Amino acid sequence: DGGITQSPKYLFRKEGQNVTLSCEQNLNHDAMYWYRQDPGQGLRLIYYSQIVNDFQKGDIAEGYSVSREKKESFPLTVTSAQKNPTAFYLCASTLLPNYGYTFGSGTRLTVV
Amino acid sequence: QQQVKQSPQSLIVQKGGISIINCAYENTAFDYFPWYQQFPGKGPALLIAIRPDVSEKKEGRFTISFNKSAKQFSLHIMDSQPGDSATYFCAASPPSGSARQLTFGSGTQLTVLP
Repeated sequence: DGGITQSPKYLFRKEGQNVTLSCEQNLNHDAMYWYRQDPGQGLRLIYYSQIVNDFQKGDIAEGYSVSREKKESFPLTVTSAQKNPTAFYLCASTLLPNYGYTFGSGTRLTVV
Repeated sequence: QQQVKQSPQSLIVQKGGISIINCAYENTAFDYFPWYQQFPGKGPALLIAIRPDVSEKKEGRFTISFNKSAKQFSLHIMDSQPGDSATYFCAASPPSGSARQLTFGSGTQLTVLP
């Protein structure tokens, strides 16, 4: 079945450590997105990518980095510069110029 | 101008009742308005969506009502069931020749009592 796979489901980060969240899709979608979800704040856009080797900052890109070396993969790195990284991270994709987003099941990141 | 304001933050409804969630937007360039349903620990799933050229869209028990002049849209869940208990997000997106960027509301946690 086609879909988006996010891994790991749970991730723990120590202070000052970089961690990478994986997002893989086999839907042949063009665009991919990373959102951060905090209680009561909805979903906020971190980064998005329309094509391979190209990506743009969203509303809250500081402290995060991404790469898009393959169409099906869009990993997100949470760097030590992100001071409050504890959140639920969601990856999504869409087939342009379609309108509907498909979301992964998310990664819950906790700072320990 | 990119904000989408959603209310209420939480909603409790009896089984069989009608659940109503409202959203308002400011950017008149928005032309796509989806609603997503999210269960705990899962990613959101597209529930229903509307474009501004229609005032209402119905899919089963779920209806979107759209008021372009007021820049408001709402989700109505008829005959609400305990299985509808979830968080609902409205969203909006401007037309774009490239990647569409959804702006999400803050979410409504719906609880349907048995």
